[in-house]
Amino acid sequence: QKEVEQNSGPLSVPEGAIASLNCTYSDRGSQSFFWYRQYSGKSPELIMFIYSNGDKEDGRFTAQLNKASQYVSLLIRDSQPSDSATYLCAVINGNNRLAFGKGNQVVVIP
Amino acid sequence: SQTIHQWPATLVQPVGSPLSLECTVEGTSNPNLYWYRQAAGRGLQLLFYSVGIGQISSEVPQNLSASRPQDRQFILSSKKLLLSDSGFYLCAWNPGDSSHQPQHFGDGTRLSIL
Repeated sequence: QKEVEQNSGPLSVPEGAIASLNCTYSDRGSQSFFWYRQYSGKSPELIMFIYSNGDKEDGRFTAQLNKASQYVSLLIRDSQPSDSATYLCAVINGNNRLAFGKGNQVVVIP
Repeated sequence: SQTIHQWPATLVQPVGSPLSLECTVEGTSNPNLYWYRQAAGRGLQLLFYSVGIGQISSEVPQNLSASRPQDRQFILSSKKLLLSDSGFYLCAWNPGDSSHQPQHFGDGTRLSIL
């Protein structure tokens, strides 16, 4: 099992809709969880971090963490064309190492 | 505020040539520093990290090396590049007092080996 898995293929959403991204992790000792956005040809940019179970909202973004089920998700409300990017899930595991998923591409269709 | 600089932005090198990529951080002291590589179609791979001057940990054995000659300077080097060294190289930092803080990335160097 991979340390951080993002299994969904490219996600196409109409402008104004909600984009939902999921991520699972294998290390139950993981404590810190991050979502990065990466535009094509650019470096990753931190958009959300979450440390506790539940929801955390920041503008149009909501991160959700469920440690019992070992998943973390990202919701993007009112999706805009500028949200078209690859979203990387990252987890600091029990050995204090940051592990990244391979990313999910989101395409917002005007 | 803190900023991270990487250069060069792009680099084209022949197989067997040496490499030196530089990363500097401003606006903070004693940061943790990291080098990652992102190959096409693959995830981010941690290559090296450093918690202080002269302290380097290698995550993946390969023909690359890293050095930290100053507190806010991190250098990635190779004596002889391989074709497989092509990729997008990213430097990142987070505060030295907590490895659980988010990492922040520089703009990256796109390296092509011919």
